[in-house]
Amino acid sequence: AQSVTQPDIHITVSEGASLELRCNYSYGATPYLFWYVQSPGQGLQLLLKYFSGDTLVQGIKGFEAEFKRSQSSFNLRKPSVHWSDAAEYFCAVGPSFSGGYNKLIFGAGTRLAVHP
Amino acid sequence: SQTIHQWPATLVQPVGSPLSLECTVEGTSNPNLYWYRQAAGRGLQLLFYSVGIGQISSEVPQNLSASRPQDRQFILSSKKLLLSDSGFYLCAWSPGTSSPWGTDTQYFGPGTRLTVL
Repeated sequence: AQSVTQPDIHITVSEGASLELRCNYSYGATPYLFWYVQSPGQGLQLLLKYFSGDTLVQGIKGFEAEFKRSQSSFNLRKPSVHWSDAAEYFCAVGPSFSGGYNKLIFGAGTRLAVHP
Repeated sequence: SQTIHQWPATLVQPVGSPLSLECTVEGTSNPNLYWYRQAAGRGLQLLFYSVGIGQISSEVPQNLSASRPQDRQFILSSKKLLLSDSGFYLCAWSPGTSSPWGTDTQYFGPGTRLTVL
């Protein structure tokens, strides 16, 4: 069955430190992969996505992610975290074709706290 | 550009009262539409999706229903709210099957915080 695992429920980093959020997936073919960010009380904003091609994907807000097929991973990174990056981050994989549409499978999320 | 709206932003309702949450999308046609729920401290649960007017599929049996009376309008309803219906409700859209951009990327609205007392 297709699934997404985000092993870290909570992560705390200091402002200016580097960040890596982990995402592992289970999928029978080459997946489409996404990272979304959710600030408190807000909707989800798309950070970046991987469909094909270069396995290092650049996104908004200085984030990047690398697709590693051999490790079934799509980890999110940022070289220097800002206090405004404190939020919850969701990894998603697709498509999971069901009923005529492509469904996304979301991970449980990682909550990032940033210390000044 | 495409935008997605949800209202109301916040709602407090008594147990047993009806519910209607609305979602509209602008700047695109024939989108796929989705309703998700986030319970406190939990991830996203897909409730309903729609690939066209009047076409609704439910992911999980529950006290809620959805309707799509117009191409870019998606409504989440309940006849009688339960305490367990409290949560953060998110609407999302993705390009429809006829779109050259594919159907896979979902874009989310700002959400509605529902508290049932």
